[in-house]
Amino acid sequence: AQSVTQPDIHITVSEGASLELRCNYSYGATPYLFWYVQSPGQGLQLLLKYFSGDTLVQGIKGFEAEFKRSQSSFNLRKPSVHWSDAAEYFCAVGSGNTGKLIFGQGTTLQVKP
Amino acid sequence: DAGVIQSPRHEVTEMGQEVTLRCKPISGHNSLFWYRQTMMRGLELLIYFNNNVPIDDSGMPEDRFSAKMPNASFSTLKIQPSEPRDSAVYFCASSSSLRTSGVQETQYFGPGTRLLVL
Repeated sequence: AQSVTQPDIHITVSEGASLELRCNYSYGATPYLFWYVQSPGQGLQLLLKYFSGDTLVQGIKGFEAEFKRSQSSFNLRKPSVHWSDAAEYFCAVGSGNTGKLIFGQGTTLQVKP
Repeated sequence: DAGVIQSPRHEVTEMGQEVTLRCKPISGHNSLFWYRQTMMRGLELLIYFNNNVPIDDSGMPEDRFSAKMPNASFSTLKIQPSEPRDSAVYFCASSSSLRTSGVQETQYFGPGTRLLVL
């Protein structure tokens, strides 16, 4: 069965520091991978997605993620975090043939001034 | 584009009452998804529609929950009777139909309805 694990429930980084949020997935075929961000009281906004091709994908707000098949990972990175990046981040995997997404439990990012 | 529209944004009701949540998907999208978000269980897919037809309702908690999509621009999620454990944020999302190659289309989420059942 498909599953997504985000090992870190809560992460705190200083403003200007680099960020990496971890995501591991379980899926038998080539996965379709997504990162979404949710600000307090808001819906989920797509940051980036991976379908195929280049394993390093660029997203909005300066985020990028790298697909590593050998590690079943799709970690999200940002070189320099801004206070406005404080939010909850969700990794998701899709099967491609159903339209369904399976979400991880989310990682809450806190940014220290 | 207005994005996915949900109403109401907040709902407070008493146990036993009927609750109806509404969703208008993005124009041109023909897949619609209902999710529930709680602290304990995270984001759960309740049901999804393709071309107004329910495809998978295996996530619907029990018979108290029902969902309809009478046309391409409107869907409802109804809880009758409501219980305190139904308190959650309910999201609606929409996407374009899957291409024949099976490429996963991006889901676009609405702002959610925050439901509190007393």
